[in-house]
Amino acid sequence: GAVVSQHPSWVICKSGTSVKIECRSLDFQATTMFWYRQFPKQSLMLMATSNEGSKATYEQGVEKDKFLINHASLTLSTLTVTSAHPEDSSFYICSAKGQGVEKLFFGSGTQLSVL
Amino acid sequence: DQQVKQNSPSLSVQEGRISILNCDYTNSMFDYFLWYKKYPAEGPTFLISISSIKDKNEDGRFTVFLNKSAKHLSLHIVPSQPGDSAVYFCAASRGSGNQFYFGTGTSLTVIP
Repeated sequence: GAVVSQHPSWVICKSGTSVKIECRSLDFQATTMFWYRQFPKQSLMLMATSNEGSKATYEQGVEKDKFLINHASLTLSTLTVTSAHPEDSSFYICSAKGQGVEKLFFGSGTQLSVL
Repeated sequence: DQQVKQNSPSLSVQEGRISILNCDYTNSMFDYFLWYKKYPAEGPTFLISISSIKDKNEDGRFTVFLNKSAKHLSLHIVPSQPGDSAVYFCAASRGSGNQFYFGTGTSLTVIP
């Protein structure tokens, strides 16, 4: 099946710093990528949807200036958590979908811990 | 507004028995349904899917049943194995759209 690579898998940072998470589709062109956040024992919460070459669409309540999403190519999307604070600590997961493909393929997730 | 619901947050099953995970949806426009399996600190992995033109899809030990009139789908795992212990999410989408709606997940524990 299709492979989506996400890294880093684990990152610890100081409060106030920015963290970039990368999501790559390795063997298909991802026309759409999704970013999710998951708190312990809760469901996946969709943060934003990004289509290659256009601005991301953010879900209600997600600050677009805090969670910067760039989908510059058909194989790469990045999520930058700017000026991270302890409450941003969470598990972030990306997923990707190709043109005409009905399934979503997920990255392995990034555990962010902000001290 | 939760359009896809998994009302059982957890399920425990003895090894070798059948595991049945349930999922309900509210939007009759959904026409494609998927099940994902997720281990802690990992991304979900695709398990099995079903199109609304079918009522059953089978892949090895996994079978998904779809009841469109009841807006209900279920995932059957038989026989259940300890390695099946994970959180299972159902998801739904419509047409060729890019929106996927996820349930809240059911944590399955298979007891050896």
